[in-house]
Amino acid sequence: DAKTTQPTSMDCAEGRAANLPCNHSTISGNEYVYWYRQIHSQGPQYIIHGLKNNETNEMASLIITEDRKSSTLILPHATLRDTAVYYCIVRVGRGADGLTFGKGTHLIIQP
Amino acid sequence: EPEVTQTPSHQVTQMGQEVILRCVPISNHLYFYWYRQILGQKVEFLVSFYNNEISEKSEIFDDQFSVERPDGSNFTLKIRSTKLEDSAMYFCASYRDDETQYFGPGTRLLVL
Repeated sequence: DAKTTQPTSMDCAEGRAANLPCNHSTISGNEYVYWYRQIHSQGPQYIIHGLKNNETNEMASLIITEDRKSSTLILPHATLRDTAVYYCIVRVGRGADGLTFGKGTHLIIQP
Repeated sequence: EPEVTQTPSHQVTQMGQEVILRCVPISNHLYFYWYRQILGQKVEFLVSFYNNEISEKSEIFDDQFSVERPDGSNFTLKIRSTKLEDSAMYFCASYRDDETQYFGPGTRLLVL
């Protein structure tokens, strides 16, 4: 089973920042936090990952708490195309193991 | 940007028939995966493949399933005798040692 807890759904206004929380209180020291998203029936798409430092790329920012028990994915200026299910996954970094997806958060961007 | 491709995009088959789903992973990737997603449910890991053999498989991946890399580019999933409950989206993914898996667009399989 997935080792993360996420809200089932969230709404966000277009143009605003979308902040998606994830709890992973049992995370191990060698486990990374990964975020993927799935836009309606498409294949999951990688967004970002991190170990303990905050990370930013062209898609999003990832904020990890100091105790690493939770994190927040931030989409800085949400658009309608960001409507998707967002999955927070913890896993050993650089591992080739299969991913374990939870139910994720269904983010709906409102016009 | 390189991508994983899958064919066909949709497949309809009769219960008991064999189906083969095809994937072309990203060319320099070394690990290959199949996942499935039953309508309205979670994405579920089926199997991973490395160095021409299965490296990991889930409980779902029973004797009805098999995988093969028949040549240098294709990666296939065969379901020997399809059941109604095999109806799902099947996603292929590939990975190199760069920390993330890339997924294909999926094949929607409908078993009647």
